[in-house]
Amino acid sequence: ETGVTQSPTHLIKTRGQQVTLRCSSQSGHNTVSWYQQALGQGPQFIFQYYREEENGRGNFPPRFSGLQFPNYSSELNVNALELDDSALYLCASSGDYEQYFGPGTRLTVT
Amino acid sequence: GNSVTQMEGPVTLSEEAFLTINCTYTATGYPSLFWYVQYPGEGLQLLLKATKADDKGSNKGFEATYRKETTSFHLEKGSVQVSDSAVYFCALSGRNAGNNRKLIWGLGTSLAVNP
Repeated sequence: ETGVTQSPTHLIKTRGQQVTLRCSSQSGHNTVSWYQQALGQGPQFIFQYYREEENGRGNFPPRFSGLQFPNYSSELNVNALELDDSALYLCASSGDYEQYFGPGTRLTVT
Repeated sequence: GNSVTQMEGPVTLSEEAFLTINCTYTATGYPSLFWYVQYPGEGLQLLLKATKADDKGSNKGFEATYRKETTSFHLEKGSVQVSDSAVYFCALSGRNAGNNRKLIWGLGTSLAVNP
């Protein structure tokens, strides 16, 4: 158990809809990173938040956005869902360089 | 830029065989190195780490040594078990000031251990 929780566990949406995924970081960690993992692939970095500010972004379009709250929990929002957005979305919290992952949210877009 | 190259799988071994999964990296500065494991249907778990040259990370019988001279961080286990069947990811994280600390990942190596 890493102490990082994500909700929901599974989600099914239709193309064009919007989705919000949530992550609670481990106690004492001020940095949250989000990754997308397509089936059979490695994780792809979406963005990172450090003390409520975006602190780096991967090669994802602006319809992927996020927030970090004062308690360091975080949200990932995806607008105008596309079929290719179907993936496991992983959240990781860190206090230094070591990242601890939550169990992920499995998003299916139909 | 920073990158991680990991041996391709899948790797299939018999129980009690010796395991090596190769990982090499390219990085500026002095990265921290990690191995993560992903069991079927689950998220990523940190398996072991090393934060400076010549450090050896170890956990659950797995070991990896941070070799700066060969820019490598190969994962080894002396005797694998069926329960070790999973996908293994090598990753690095920058340590320079101002670095956003994102993890750079290898593509993953799938390991199947047969009884």
